[in-house]
Amino acid sequence: NAGVMQNPRHLVRRRGQEARLRCSPMKGHSHVYWYRQLPEEGLKFMVYLQKENIIDESGMPKERFSAEFPKEGPSILRIQQVVRGDSAAYFCASSRDRAGSEAFFGQGTRLTVV
Amino acid sequence: AQTVTQSQPEMSVQEAETVTLSCTYDTSESDYYLFWYKQPPSRQMILVIRQEAYKQQNATENRFSVNFQKAAKSFSLKISDSQLGDAAMYFCAYRSAAGGSEKLVFGKGTKLTVNP
Repeated sequence: NAGVMQNPRHLVRRRGQEARLRCSPMKGHSHVYWYRQLPEEGLKFMVYLQKENIIDESGMPKERFSAEFPKEGPSILRIQQVVRGDSAAYFCASSRDRAGSEAFFGQGTRLTVV
Repeated sequence: AQTVTQSQPEMSVQEAETVTLSCTYDTSESDYYLFWYKQPPSRQMILVIRQEAYKQQNATENRFSVNFQKAAKSFSLKISDSQLGDAAMYFCAYRSAAGGSEKLVFGKGTKLTVNP
């Protein structure tokens, strides 16, 4: 049973470009969470999605950031017109259901904006 | 809003000895979960141990155990017989048990060094 798969592991974008980060949850998991980790910081919650629904986006910046989890395919975190401050590690986690189940993390995508 | 505080940015321990990492949290809720995650240089977040707030008994996983003090809102991690492979960043995290709020709230982490 493969774990949570994130790709790419490393992504370099120039300022103003778009970044697309992908997350395939573990088999049987229908809940996906995205977190951002700035250097020397803990992870900060961004968004919580179920298939085709955004449940909690309270941690998402109001502009340039969006997330989706379609019926088929991976979850996508999209950052438009990236700026240097977007440079961070972005982690995805998945869980089976909401009743206190454990969330399993992917290895993260390190985004560098140059 | 809930907050998690880890007051030790860095700790070190000799191999085979015991170390305790501190964590305090702030919440007005009575039912929640607490976690310790390990993040080695590979960046993979690995769940070390979890505690349900309604359980009085402290959780234990092999060499890892917690001291959960609900009234004091304290959740420390004890690592016994430390091994070189324990060297990593350790993050304390909180999650509400209330419906609709599945997010984890993390502390800033403690970097643990294990000396041979």
